[in-house]
Amino acid sequence: QKEVEQDPGPLSVPEGAIVSLNCTYSNSAFQYFMWYRQYSRKGPELLMYTYSSGNKEDGRFTAQVDKSSKYISLFIRDSQPSDSATYLCAMKGGTSYGKLTFGQGTILTVHP
Amino acid sequence: DGGITQSPKYLFRKEGQNVTLSCEQNLNHDAMYWYRQDPGQGLRLIYYSQIVNDFQKGDIAEGYSVSREKKESFPLTVTSAQKNPTAFYLCASSPGTDKQFFGPGTRLTVL
Repeated sequence: QKEVEQDPGPLSVPEGAIVSLNCTYSNSAFQYFMWYRQYSRKGPELLMYTYSSGNKEDGRFTAQVDKSSKYISLFIRDSQPSDSATYLCAMKGGTSYGKLTFGQGTILTVHP
Repeated sequence: DGGITQSPKYLFRKEGQNVTLSCEQNLNHDAMYWYRQDPGQGLRLIYYSQIVNDFQKGDIAEGYSVSREKKESFPLTVTSAQKNPTAFYLCASSPGTDKQFFGPGTRLTVL
C-alpha cells in the first residue's frame, strides 16, 4: 500500500465548476501538507501549504485537512481553463529537512 | 530574479554514458533535493543535501551520484549503472522550513 493515494483522474469539468481533488494517507507522522500545480513539461509550483486540521483559503483555492481521517482535499472554485494542469498532493513529517512524499497527481482539464 | 535554474532543458544519452544535470539556486536556501518523475507517478526522491559537503540518499539513489561543493549548486550525475534513466528530473530547494520550491526540470532520454 502506498503511503499517499491520489486518484489520477483524468478529471474534466466545464469552466466555472467547483473542483474537488483528494488524497488519503496512511502515515500518521505526516504533519505538513502541500498542494502543487504542475503544467505540462514544467516544474511543480507550490499552491497551498498547511500544517493543521481545518480549512485554509487563498483566493479561489481552499485546502482542507482532516488528520483524524488522514484525508486532505483541494477545492477550486469558479474553475478556469488556465487551471488545467496536474495537481500533486505532498506531505512530510515533523523534521525540518527531508523528503516530501507525493501522490501520483490528478490531471485536471477545464474546458470553456 | 531569484530562483532555481536547471540545465539543460532536454538531454539525450547514449547507452553506457554518464551525464550530469545542473541545478543552481540563488535563493540562499540551505537544503537542495533531486527528484525523478515518471509518467503517471508522483515524484520520487533521489538525493538530498542539507548543507555544503553533505548529502543523503533518497528512495531511489542507485545509479545516481551528487556533489554539494557550493551552497548554490547541486549537480546530479546519472551513471551507466542506472538501468532506466529516461525520466523528468526535478531539482528543488528549501530554506529549512517545510516548503520546497522546484526548478523547471530536465527531460532525459536514453537513445
